[in-house]
This record gives sequence, structure tokens and C-alpha cells, in this order.
Amino acid sequence: KAGVTQTPRYLIKTRGQQVTLSCSPISGHRSVSWYQQTPGQGLQFLFEYFSETQRNKGNFPGRFSGRQFSNSRSEMNVSTLELGDSALYLCASSTGGDEQFFGPGTRLTVL
Amino acid sequence: AQSVTQLDSQVPVFEEAPVELRCNYSSSVSVYLFWYVQYPNQGLQLLLKYLSGSTLVKGINGFEAEFNKSQTSFHLRKPSVHISDTAEYFCAVSDLGTGRRALTFGSGTRLQVQP
Repeated sequence: KAGVTQTPRYLIKTRGQQVTLSCSPISGHRSVSWYQQTPGQGLQFLFEYFSETQRNKGNFPGRFSGRQFSNSRSEMNVSTLELGDSALYLCASSTGGDEQFFGPGTRLTVL
Repeated sequence: AQSVTQLDSQVPVFEEAPVELRCNYSSSVSVYLFWYVQYPNQGLQLLLKYLSGSTLVKGINGFEAEFNKSQTSFHLRKPSVHISDTAEYFCAVSDLGTGRRALTFGSGTRLQVQP
């Protein structure tokens, strides 16, 4: 089985722009979660989608949003980028059970 | 609310020596416990997990961890490390049985294995 894939792997944007990141879960997995990893704040939960519905949300501003499609693929969007949004964004998929499988991440740099 | 504390930000150790990475957690509800490893420029890989049952959990690559409910700890151990174990290790918890999959992570411990 193919693992979790994330595209693009690297991204450079400027302040004020918006960005969309994509995540394809493992085949058969219906749950997709997103995490932000920064040197200062560590790993923080953004949100989780299950069967196209947001099931849980972390403590991030409304500029961060996501969605899930009927094939379980998920996208997250960040609008009005700030320098502090520079981070590694990790996607994880699961069947809805206890174990999450992580993708390699998308490294976003905001200039 | 949950929190996870990894007391050691860095642990240097010589090859073939034993190692213990410490993790303590705080939660008002029962939790699942996990250890993940992250190699440079990669995502997270699950090493092991505790859901219930035996408090000694064995994982991949020779790692094991022991759940101690009274001390709210879940320390990771390996009897003999290799150079290839050099990586960052994260302890994490999630709510037991709420259906929510949000993981709360510790700040990580960088394991540096020296020859």
C-alpha cells in the first residue's frame, strides 16, 4: 500500500499571499488530520476530517481552514500568510482507529 | 486538557549503550500513549503505542516503553543503540474513546548516538 502523500513538498510564499496544501491518505483511510511543526511551538494539531466532515479543530486562527473530498483526499488553506506561518505541515491518515500514519510533510517558507 | 512533558531536549549517548527517553503526561481523562520518531526531513513514524493491557510495550527497531499510571509516565528505552537511531523522538497522547484523533505532543528529545 502506498503511504500518505503530500504535495508540494516545498513551498515559498510572501506575506499576504494564500496557500493550499494537499494530502492523499492511505487507501481506505477516511480520517485525515493536519499538524503544524515549528521550532518554537513544536507539533500542534490543526484539524481533523472524517468522511468530509470536520470532526475536531485545534486552536488556530480562522485563516487556517481545510476540507476533505469524497475520495478522502484533503486540502488545507492558509490565507493572508504571516512570517510565523513558516513551518512543516504534516498530514496524518487513519481508519478512524487509534493509529495515525504521517506523510513526509510540506515545508512552507513565508518571506 | 492534556499536556506532555519530555524533560530532556537532547540525549547524547555512545553506540551500543542503553538509553532512556523520559515522558510524563497530564490528563483529566484516560489516554492512549504513543512514541514517534522523526528522521531529518521526514515525517513521523510510529515506534510503539499503549492502548491497554500489559504496561510493557514493545515496538519497532528494538524499542520498548513502560506505562506507569501512578507516575503518569511512559518512558522509552532501548538496551543498545545504533548510529542509525540518531533522530528526534516525540511522546504523544490522545483521548481514550472520545473518537477524537488529535494528538498532543511533547517538545521532543533529540537522541545523538556517537561512535
